[in-house]
Amino acid sequence: RKEVEQDPGPFNVPEGATVAFNCTYSNSASQSFFWYRQDCRKEPKLLMSVYSSGNEDGRFTAQLNRASQYISLLIRDSKLSDSATYLCVVRGGGYNKLIFGAGTRLAVHP
Amino acid sequence: NAGVTQTPKFRILKIGQSMTLQCTQDMNHNYMYWYRQDPGMGLKLIYYSVGAGITDKGEVPNGYNVSRSTTEDFPLRLELAAPSQTSVYFCASSPNPGGEATEAFFGQGTRLTVV
Repeated sequence: RKEVEQDPGPFNVPEGATVAFNCTYSNSASQSFFWYRQDCRKEPKLLMSVYSSGNEDGRFTAQLNRASQYISLLIRDSKLSDSATYLCVVRGGGYNKLIFGAGTRLAVHP
Repeated sequence: NAGVTQTPKFRILKIGQSMTLQCTQDMNHNYMYWYRQDPGMGLKLIYYSVGAGITDKGEVPNGYNVSRSTTEDFPLRLELAAPSQTSVYFCASSPNPGGEATEAFFGQGTRLTVV
């Protein structure tokens, strides 16, 4: 089983739609959780950290369920500029290193 | 505001040649990582380091070597380049775990083609 698993997509949605991505992780001792965004042929960039109580940043909402070892990202009112790959990242394993999921592709169309 | 700097940005190697990908960071992070990303695929961890003098293998270490003599630098060495090593290589650094901000910062990547 992979340490961090995501649905690869692609998710094709119209502008204005709400879309949700899920991610599961295998190590229950994992400490920190993040969502990154990666545009084509560019480096990943932090979208938001994920906190136990859930957190929101504008149109983006992240949730963490430690009991189920599950992380989610909700994007409301999708924009064309949201088209990218979204990477779930967990800090855990040996030495608490950063472990990336394979990413979920989102394509927002007019 | 340099952050994580990778050189070179692009390189073409012939089969069997060797090269070193350079990575340096100015944020005093102990953790540094090397990932490779093949077209249409996710990031795969090659090697990582948790501080000067300490390195460990990731998911795909074969064909690569690393060293960490200083906090700032984490070079990745390719010996005997093979076409299977054609990829985009990303270096990243992060603070120690347990603090408020523990996310990773990435360099812009090195696009390597082995022919």
